[in-house]
Amino acid sequence: DIQMTQSPSSLSASVGDRVTITCRASQSISSYLNWYQQKPGKAPKLLIYAASSLQSGVPSRFSGSGSGTDFTLTISSLQPEDFATYYCQQSYSATVTFGGGTKVEIK
Amino acid sequence: QVQLQESGPGLVKPSQTLSLTCTVSGGSISSGGYYWSWIRQHPGKGLEWIGYIYYSGSTYYNPSLKSRVTISVDTSKNQFSLKLSSVTAADTAVYYCARYLGPIAVAGFDYWGQGTLVTVSS
Repeated sequence: DIQMTQSPSSLSASVGDRVTITCRASQSISSYLNWYQQKPGKAPKLLIYAASSLQSGVPSRFSGSGSGTDFTLTISSLQPEDFATYYCQQSYSATVTFGGGTKVEIK
Repeated sequence: QVQLQESGPGLVKPSQTLSLTCTVSGGSISSGGYYWSWIRQHPGKGLEWIGYIYYSGSTYYNPSLKSRVTISVDTSKNQFSLKLSSVTAADTAVYYCARYLGPIAVAGFDYWGQGTLVTVSS
């Protein structure tokens, strides 16, 4: 299986901050990397697919980059509604794996 | 707008089989192009992929659960189902169904059900 490692596991930030979350794959997955946002008690929501493509309806303050094994999700200016847990997921392999998650908390 | 809705018992006894159904509306499973998936989340933990099925019946399962999982599809009802056998307390989780474009595809799980909590307890 392809292992996905996210860092940090949690972070504290203020409204307006620039936030970067990292995801590393245990082998090259080209650009087959997706990012999700999950709020408490809700299903995950697809934010970014294919490493850098913004899902329809997602604010442009969210962006993704990377290829191969190293990827980042960036929130350019953190908004109150962005406090949530973020997950990466590889879609390179038929066997799906998710990262462990990054919880973004209010400082 | 595609919608998915999980249904099934919220309480299952240890050693029994967990059975859930996902009903899809706003789109037809039999039109193809998507893999219909089950994902779970243990309380306070991350996401764990269980498996998915194509409308033709082709399935892919998480190797760690493969011996206990069966996913099936009923295109006439526009539903797909999950069966997880020999459950223990470790299978207590919120179970989600979701739509997936599949591996080597430029898309992720784009539509999800609201999730259903299944508790394994006697």
